[in-house]
Amino acid sequence: GAVVSQHPSRVICKSGTSVKIECRSLDFQATTMFWYRQFPKQSLMLMATSNEGSKATYEQGVEKDKFLINHASLTLSTLTVTSAHPEDSSFYICSASRGQGYNEQFFGPGTRLTVL
Amino acid sequence: DAKTTQPTSMDCAEGRAANLPCNHSTISGNEYVYWYRQIHSQGPQYIIHGLKNNETNEMASLIITEDRKSSTLILPHATLRDTAVYYCIVSKETSGSRLTFGEGTQLTVNP
Repeated sequence: GAVVSQHPSRVICKSGTSVKIECRSLDFQATTMFWYRQFPKQSLMLMATSNEGSKATYEQGVEKDKFLINHASLTLSTLTVTSAHPEDSSFYICSASRGQGYNEQFFGPGTRLTVL
Repeated sequence: DAKTTQPTSMDCAEGRAANLPCNHSTISGNEYVYWYRQIHSQGPQYIIHGLKNNETNEMASLIITEDRKSSTLILPHATLRDTAVYYCIVSKETSGSRLTFGEGTQLTVNP
Protein backbone atom coordinates (compact mmCIF):
# COMPACT_ATOMS: atom_id res chain seq x y z
CA GLY A 1 0.00 0.00 0.00
CA ALA A 2 0.84 3.74 0.03
CA VAL A 3 1.92 4.04 -3.58
CA VAL A 4 2.58 7.37 -5.24
CA SER A 5 2.90 7.70 -8.99
CA GLN A 6 4.20 10.48 -11.17
CA HIS A 7 3.59 11.21 -14.80
CA PRO A 8 5.46 11.62 -17.00
CA SER A 9 8.62 9.91 -15.83
CA ARG A 10 10.70 11.82 -18.32
CA VAL A 11 10.00 14.89 -20.44
CA ILE A 12 12.05 16.90 -22.88
CA CYS A 13 10.76 20.28 -23.95
CA LYS A 14 11.86 23.41 -25.74
CA SER A 15 12.75 26.56 -23.86
CA GLY A 16 9.72 28.76 -23.29
CA THR A 17 7.15 26.00 -23.15
CA SER A 18 5.20 24.89 -20.10
CA VAL A 19 5.31 21.42 -18.64
CA LYS A 20 2.80 19.79 -16.30
CA ILE A 21 3.77 16.99 -13.93
CA GLU A 22 1.14 14.91 -12.18
CA CYS A 23 1.48 13.29 -8.78
CA ARG A 24 -1.10 10.75 -7.68
CA SER A 25 -1.60 8.79 -4.49
CA LEU A 26 -2.96 5.49 -5.77
CA ASP A 27 -4.29 3.77 -2.70
CA PHE A 28 -4.70 6.43 -0.05
CA GLN A 29 -5.91 9.95 0.40
CA ALA A 30 -3.15 12.51 0.68
CA THR A 31 -4.07 15.53 2.73
CA THR A 32 -0.67 17.05 2.12
CA MET A 33 1.61 16.76 -0.86
CA PHE A 34 5.13 18.05 -1.26
CA TRP A 35 7.17 18.94 -4.31
CA TYR A 36 10.93 18.62 -4.34
CA ARG A 37 13.62 19.38 -6.88
CA GLN A 38 16.94 17.59 -7.11
CA PHE A 39 19.88 18.70 -9.23
CA PRO A 40 22.62 16.21 -10.18
CA LYS A 41 24.75 15.07 -7.25
CA GLN A 42 22.74 17.21 -4.85
CA SER A 43 20.15 16.51 -2.19
CA LEU A 44 16.41 17.04 -2.45
CA MET A 45 15.26 20.61 -2.02
CA LEU A 46 11.69 21.23 -0.91
CA MET A 47 9.92 23.58 -3.29
CA ALA A 48 6.44 23.75 -1.86
CA THR A 49 3.87 22.16 0.39
CA SER A 50 0.27 21.85 -0.71
CA ASN A 51 -2.85 20.91 1.16
CA GLU A 52 -5.95 19.78 -0.66
CA GLY A 53 -8.19 22.66 -1.52
CA SER A 54 -5.87 25.43 -0.45
CA LYS A 55 -3.01 27.40 -1.92
CA ALA A 56 0.45 25.93 -1.82
CA THR A 57 3.09 27.24 0.54
CA TYR A 58 6.32 27.90 -1.32
CA GLU A 59 9.81 27.77 0.12
CA GLN A 60 11.92 30.87 0.10
CA GLY A 61 13.44 31.48 -3.30
CA VAL A 62 10.91 29.41 -5.23
CA GLU A 63 8.89 31.50 -7.69
CA LYS A 64 5.22 30.71 -7.22
CA ASP A 65 4.29 32.21 -10.58
CA LYS A 66 6.78 29.98 -12.34
CA PHE A 67 6.02 26.77 -10.50
CA LEU A 68 2.25 26.49 -10.34
CA ILE A 69 0.93 23.89 -7.95
CA ASN A 70 -2.63 22.62 -7.87
CA HIS A 71 -3.94 20.16 -5.30
CA ALA A 72 -7.54 19.86 -6.36
CA SER A 73 -8.28 16.46 -4.87
CA LEU A 74 -7.02 14.18 -2.14
CA THR A 75 -5.30 11.97 -4.68
CA LEU A 76 -3.89 14.39 -7.23
CA SER A 77 -1.47 17.29 -7.23
CA THR A 78 0.06 18.89 -10.29
CA LEU A 79 3.18 20.97 -10.77
CA THR A 80 3.34 23.16 -13.86
CA VAL A 81 6.68 24.62 -14.82
CA THR A 82 5.77 27.69 -16.84
CA SER A 83 8.02 29.13 -19.53
CA ALA A 84 10.67 26.53 -18.81
CA HIS A 85 14.33 27.36 -19.34
CA PRO A 86 17.41 25.14 -19.37
CA GLU A 87 18.18 26.02 -15.75
CA ASP A 88 14.85 24.41 -14.79
CA SER A 89 16.17 21.06 -15.99
CA SER A 90 16.10 18.85 -12.91
CA PHE A 91 14.62 15.80 -11.24
CA TYR A 92 11.23 16.70 -9.76
CA ILE A 93 9.89 14.46 -7.02
CA CYS A 94 6.58 14.59 -5.21
CA SER A 95 5.61 13.03 -1.93
CA ALA A 96 2.35 12.54 -0.13
CA SER A 97 1.31 12.36 3.48
CA ARG A 98 -1.75 10.54 4.75
CA GLY A 99 -2.50 13.11 7.39
CA GLN A 100 -2.57 10.63 10.19
CA GLY A 101 -0.10 8.95 12.44
CA TYR A 102 3.53 9.80 12.18
CA ASN A 103 5.20 11.96 9.58
CA GLU A 104 5.91 9.34 6.96
CA GLN A 105 6.00 10.68 3.45
CA PHE A 106 5.52 8.42 0.44
CA PHE A 107 7.55 9.49 -2.54
CA GLY A 108 6.85 9.21 -6.21
CA PRO A 109 9.44 7.84 -8.63
CA GLY A 110 10.34 11.30 -9.90
CA THR A 111 10.14 13.13 -13.23
CA ARG A 112 13.26 13.97 -15.18
CA LEU A 113 12.76 17.32 -16.93
CA THR A 114 15.17 18.40 -19.65
CA VAL A 115 14.70 21.83 -21.20
CA LEU A 116 16.53 22.38 -24.46
CA ASP B 1 14.07 21.58 12.19
CA ALA B 2 17.30 20.44 13.79
CA LYS B 3 20.30 20.01 11.53
CA THR B 4 21.90 16.60 11.07
CA THR B 5 25.46 15.60 10.26
CA GLN B 6 26.32 12.38 8.44
CA PRO B 7 29.50 11.00 6.87
CA THR B 8 29.64 11.62 3.16
CA SER B 9 30.24 8.01 2.21
CA MET B 10 30.67 4.53 3.65
CA ASP B 11 31.47 1.11 2.30
CA CYS B 12 30.19 -2.21 3.49
CA ALA B 13 30.77 -5.81 2.46
CA GLU B 14 27.77 -7.75 1.25
CA GLY B 15 26.25 -9.83 4.04
CA ARG B 16 27.79 -7.74 6.79
CA ALA B 17 26.01 -5.23 8.98
CA ALA B 18 26.04 -1.62 7.82
CA ASN B 19 26.07 0.94 10.63
CA LEU B 20 25.28 4.46 9.52
CA PRO B 21 25.80 7.22 12.10
CA CYS B 22 24.02 10.53 12.39
CA ASN B 23 24.57 13.47 14.70
CA HIS B 24 21.63 15.68 15.64
CA SER B 25 22.86 17.53 18.70
CA THR B 26 20.26 20.33 18.43
CA ILE B 27 17.25 18.02 18.36
CA SER B 28 14.35 19.26 20.44
CA GLY B 29 12.06 17.25 22.66
CA ASN B 30 9.20 16.91 20.21
CA GLU B 31 11.30 15.96 17.20
CA TYR B 32 11.70 12.48 15.84
CA VAL B 33 14.59 10.95 13.93
CA TYR B 34 13.61 9.68 10.50
CA TRP B 35 15.67 7.68 8.05
CA TYR B 36 15.03 7.57 4.33
CA ARG B 37 17.10 6.23 1.51
CA GLN B 38 17.31 7.05 -2.17
CA ILE B 39 18.48 4.59 -4.74
CA HIS B 40 19.95 6.29 -7.79
CA SER B 41 17.38 8.16 -9.91
CA GLN B 42 14.42 7.03 -7.79
CA GLY B 43 12.25 8.70 -5.20
CA PRO B 44 13.28 8.34 -1.55
CA GLN B 45 11.99 5.43 0.50
CA TYR B 46 11.03 5.55 4.16
CA ILE B 47 13.05 3.20 6.35
CA ILE B 48 12.34 3.79 10.01
CA HIS B 49 11.82 6.48 12.61
CA GLY B 50 12.04 6.85 16.39
CA LEU B 51 11.82 9.27 19.28
CA LYS B 52 14.03 7.93 22.05
CA ASN B 53 13.62 4.18 22.18
CA ASN B 54 15.40 1.82 19.86
CA GLU B 55 13.25 0.69 16.99
CA THR B 56 13.35 -2.29 14.64
CA ASN B 57 11.37 -3.20 11.58
CA GLU B 58 11.80 -5.53 8.65
CA MET B 59 14.26 -3.20 6.98
CA ALA B 60 16.52 -1.93 9.73
CA SER B 61 17.15 -1.07 13.35
CA LEU B 62 17.48 2.40 14.78
CA ILE B 63 19.58 3.03 17.86
CA ILE B 64 19.16 6.44 19.49
CA THR B 65 21.53 7.53 22.25
CA GLU B 66 20.08 8.33 25.64
CA ASP B 67 20.73 12.06 25.22
CA ARG B 68 19.17 11.84 21.72
CA LYS B 69 22.03 13.76 20.20
CA SER B 70 22.99 10.99 17.82
CA SER B 71 21.65 7.82 16.29
CA THR B 72 22.75 4.85 14.22
CA LEU B 73 20.86 3.10 11.48
CA ILE B 74 21.73 -0.57 11.24
CA LEU B 75 21.15 -2.72 8.19
CA PRO B 76 21.83 -6.15 9.68
CA HIS B 77 22.76 -8.01 6.50
CA ALA B 78 23.53 -5.58 3.72
CA THR B 79 22.89 -6.63 0.13
CA LEU B 80 23.95 -5.03 -3.11
CA ARG B 81 20.44 -3.58 -3.43
CA ASP B 82 21.04 -1.56 -0.27
CA THR B 83 23.50 0.63 -2.14
CA ALA B 84 21.89 4.08 -1.88
CA VAL B 85 22.11 7.50 -0.29
CA TYR B 86 20.81 7.35 3.27
CA TYR B 87 19.28 10.44 4.79
CA CYS B 88 18.90 11.08 8.50
CA ILE B 89 16.21 13.70 9.11
CA VAL B 90 14.88 15.29 12.25
CA SER B 91 11.27 16.35 12.11
CA LYS B 92 8.22 16.81 14.23
CA GLU B 93 5.94 13.81 14.32
CA THR B 94 2.95 15.71 13.06
CA SER B 95 1.80 14.20 9.82
CA GLY B 96 2.29 16.63 6.99
CA SER B 97 5.33 18.27 8.54
CA ARG B 98 8.11 19.19 6.17
CA LEU B 99 11.21 17.04 5.83
CA THR B 100 14.54 18.78 5.31
CA PHE B 101 17.01 16.59 3.46
CA GLY B 102 20.72 17.04 4.12
CA GLU B 103 23.48 15.59 2.01
CA GLY B 104 23.11 12.07 3.38
CA THR B 105 25.55 9.18 3.34
CA GLN B 106 26.34 7.31 0.15
CA LEU B 107 26.47 3.67 1.22
CA THR B 108 28.13 1.33 -1.23
CA VAL B 109 27.73 -2.36 -0.60
CA ASN B 110 30.52 -4.32 -2.21
CA PRO B 111 30.36 -7.97 -3.30
